[in-house]
Amino acid sequence: SAVISQKPSRDICQRGTSLTIQCQVDSQVTMMFWYRQQPGQSLTLIATANQGSEATYESGFVIDKFPISRPNLTFSTLTVSNMSPEDSSIYLCSVKTSGSKINFGPGTRLLVL
Amino acid sequence: GIQVEQSPPDLILQEGANSTLRCNFSDSVNNLQWFHQNPWGQLINLFYIPSGTKQNGRLSATTVATERYSLLYISSSQTTDSGVYFCAAESSGAGSYQLTFGKGTKLSVIP
Repeated sequence: SAVISQKPSRDICQRGTSLTIQCQVDSQVTMMFWYRQQPGQSLTLIATANQGSEATYESGFVIDKFPISRPNLTFSTLTVSNMSPEDSSIYLCSVKTSGSKINFGPGTRLLVL
Repeated sequence: GIQVEQSPPDLILQEGANSTLRCNFSDSVNNLQWFHQNPWGQLINLFYIPSGTKQNGRLSATTVATERYSLLYISSSQTTDSGVYFCAAESSGAGSYQLTFGKGTKLSVIP
């Protein structure tokens, strides 16, 4: 199955700044997603990253706050913009593999001070 | 949207014991998956099981789609089974692979 890597694995940022998270897959995948997991909570889908077009955002998430790029079938980025302490979370990239399973990357742990 | 409820929220087991985790969902599904998040945060896909029964070693899962629930069985538990188990579902009317996650069952296996 697809091997997913994310960069950075963790970061500490100051409020008001932005961070771009990279997701790399070792094979071409059609479906790629970004999730957020706030401390002690479950996972919430932020958006579906579409290759060659704008991402599809879930309710409560907007492009200005979480711009996403998907330049090809193996790579995507998520930017967390104008960060506040409430953005402190684990951000996870996931892909649909053959056989309909969803696999996750190792996550990016973000702390905003 | 679809609601996903998991029980129990917390579970403590002695090593070697068996357990059953439950996932109820509010709508018909075409996608039901179980995940294990280990203490380091890594999410591992255990099963893709929209219906029927599957087994993988000491783990097995059963989904009864008509009654809107799924069960995850862990036999002969080991300390490495500790972590949080999530159930995630996609309703039949939703977009492709937009999974809704339950709040999870936190399992602690003690030696």
